[in-house]
Amino acid sequence: DTGVSQNPRHKITKRGQNVTFRCDPISEHNRLYWYRQTLGQGPEFLTYFQNEAQLEKSRLLSDRFSAERPKGSFSTLEIQRTEQGDSAMYLCASSLTLNTEYSGNTIYFGEGSWLTVV
Amino acid sequence: GIQVEQSPPDLILQEGANSTLRCNFSDSVNNLQWFHQNPWGQLINLFYIPSGTKQNGRLSATTVATERYSLLYISSSQTTDSGVYFCAVVMNYGGSQGNLIFGKGTKLSVKP
Repeated sequence: DTGVSQNPRHKITKRGQNVTFRCDPISEHNRLYWYRQTLGQGPEFLTYFQNEAQLEKSRLLSDRFSAERPKGSFSTLEIQRTEQGDSAMYLCASSLTLNTEYSGNTIYFGEGSWLTVV
Repeated sequence: GIQVEQSPPDLILQEGANSTLRCNFSDSVNNLQWFHQNPWGQLINLFYIPSGTKQNGRLSATTVATERYSLLYISSSQTTDSGVYFCAVVMNYGGSQGNLIFGKGTKLSVKP
């Protein structure tokens, strides 16, 4: 396994269009996270899954955003009716967390998907 | 919410120099991690260090949880150390287990 894989790596879209990003986590990892990063800032949490259950969503995740992890493996992040403010890098990460407490297991990030809305 | 402040925001070093990066946080945390983001955007986990000291090669980190700060030491810097270093935390009380809160990072440039 080569790590967390994201695609597409780059996407340019017109305002108002829908876009979908895919994330394939490290195969045995049960947790999957989505973050967003804009230039000059640290990543901001969007949502995370434990297996197929979406356990938390940030208020940054407006109703135009939806994330799924249907079989507890890969995940998709869809943005509907894109706006220029959605331009950012969307990062996916995964970890193997063995109990309900955050054990500090290492989080592995993908290389990110860059979105430019024009 | 919790505030995570990193300093300095920018740092330029000559190859071979040592440096110390600082992370201050405003509330009690049960999780603190340091990451390196390379110029291509890849985030690499360096340390999980909610307290104490750890070392990994030329890098080491110390967290003093009671005083709410963490330090990342880079010794004998190399050009490949260039990039942005982020500190990220999870609040001890009321913090989501999945929600790492990142600082704005320290941008390090190592010149040959």
